[in-house]
Amino acid sequence: GQQLNQSPQSMFIQEGEDVSMNCTSSSIFNTWLWYKQDPGEGPVLLIALYKAGELTSNGRLTAQFGITRKDSFLNISASIPSDVGIYFCAGPNSGGSNYKLTFGKGTLLTVNP
Amino acid sequence: DTGVSQNPRHKITKRGQNVTFRCDPISEHNRLYWYRQTLGQGPEFLTYFQNEAQLEKSRLLSDRFSAERPKGSFSTLEIQRTEQGDSAMYLCASSQPSKPYGYTFGSGTRLTVV
Repeated sequence: GQQLNQSPQSMFIQEGEDVSMNCTSSSIFNTWLWYKQDPGEGPVLLIALYKAGELTSNGRLTAQFGITRKDSFLNISASIPSDVGIYFCAGPNSGGSNYKLTFGKGTLLTVNP
Repeated sequence: DTGVSQNPRHKITKRGQNVTFRCDPISEHNRLYWYRQTLGQGPEFLTYFQNEAQLEKSRLLSDRFSAERPKGSFSTLEIQRTEQGDSAMYLCASSQPSKPYGYTFGSGTRLTVV
């Protein structure tokens, strides 16, 4: 089946630093999504990307849909303590119209105040 | 609108017991999903409903698992004869036709089988 590879697995940064993480796939995706999950909670959608090359921002977050359609990047600028959590990329599972998603294993972000 | 609600938040059960979880989606969302998440992994698809019809089930969903969505509103996920390997976070999500990938997840039910 489809697999999404996220890197890095974890990051430890100081408050105020910028963060970059990415997600790659061996197959083409037509949609890329980035979610954030806080401990003990469900994932929350941050950004959705629908077109190759698309660059979309949501506050301090910026995500890009890679031109090859096999990768995506998420950047967080001027990190703050509440950015702590696990960031997942996700893409539609191949085939069908059920809109089910495949998720990566996540990038764990720790921000030191 | 209070979002997607899941109950209970936590469930501890003995191996071999049956458990049932409930999900109340956002009212105007016609699609409802169940995902399972284990430690260090992303959510994995279990099953999907469009209105009251269960349209797909993952191979992860053994015959001990059953899900329903009567009347296309809330959904239940039942696990019979629980095993230790069933221990996980069970997440429910819903979405609307205009934003099919824009899932709203609930807070999940954390199941521990002892």
